[in-house]
Amino acid sequence: AQSVTQLGSHVSVSEGALVLLRCNYSSSVPPYLFWYVQYPNQGLQLLLKYTSAATLVKGINGFEAEFKKSETSFHLTKPSAHMSDAAEYFCAVSESDSWGKLQFGAGTQVVVTP
Amino acid sequence: EAQVTQNPRYLITVTGKKLTVTCSQNMNHEYMSWYRQDPGLGLRQIYYSMNVEVTDKGDVPEGYKVSRKEKRNFPLILESPSPNQTSLYFCASSLLGGSGANVLTFGAGSRLTVL
Repeated sequence: AQSVTQLGSHVSVSEGALVLLRCNYSSSVPPYLFWYVQYPNQGLQLLLKYTSAATLVKGINGFEAEFKKSETSFHLTKPSAHMSDAAEYFCAVSESDSWGKLQFGAGTQVVVTP
Repeated sequence: EAQVTQNPRYLITVTGKKLTVTCSQNMNHEYMSWYRQDPGLGLRQIYYSMNVEVTDKGDVPEGYKVSRKEKRNFPLILESPSPNQTSLYFCASSLLGGSGANVLTFGAGSRLTVL
């Protein structure tokens, strides 16, 4: 069975500071990992995805995530937070590369302070 | 514009009054799915469909029905809504296979309140 755990339901960062959102996964097969972002009053949209081609994955809006098999982690980072990064972020895992059976984490709400 | 359209966006109803939330996508996606979002629980899958006339239960299917008579439409039916179905609902779609697999396009959400 697959699952993800996101550490921290709320994160507050200062504008210009590092954003670090933690995600650990559990999977019985090599996983496919994703980060989605949800801006206020909107649906989710894909930030980035890991599909085994490279362990460091770059996404939109300056975000990136690193797959670490030894730590079963897929943490999301951004070097310098912007006010527009305020949103909820979801880590997700799939054991298939051919269809959308995604298991989502509980989400991390990011607040950016001036 | 490629999109997933859900209606209604907001609905307040009473226990037991049947309702349908419609979902339509214009991307010719094979895969469609319904999720509910509750605070602290993330998104949980209700039902999904891999093609016309092919549907299957997700993690929390109790109290819901779906149908997939056309590729573009995937309505969610609550035959007898109860207060524990008060939630934010999302419809999503994606391709099956290739680089588009698992890249879900989400609708804007439907906030349902059952009194």
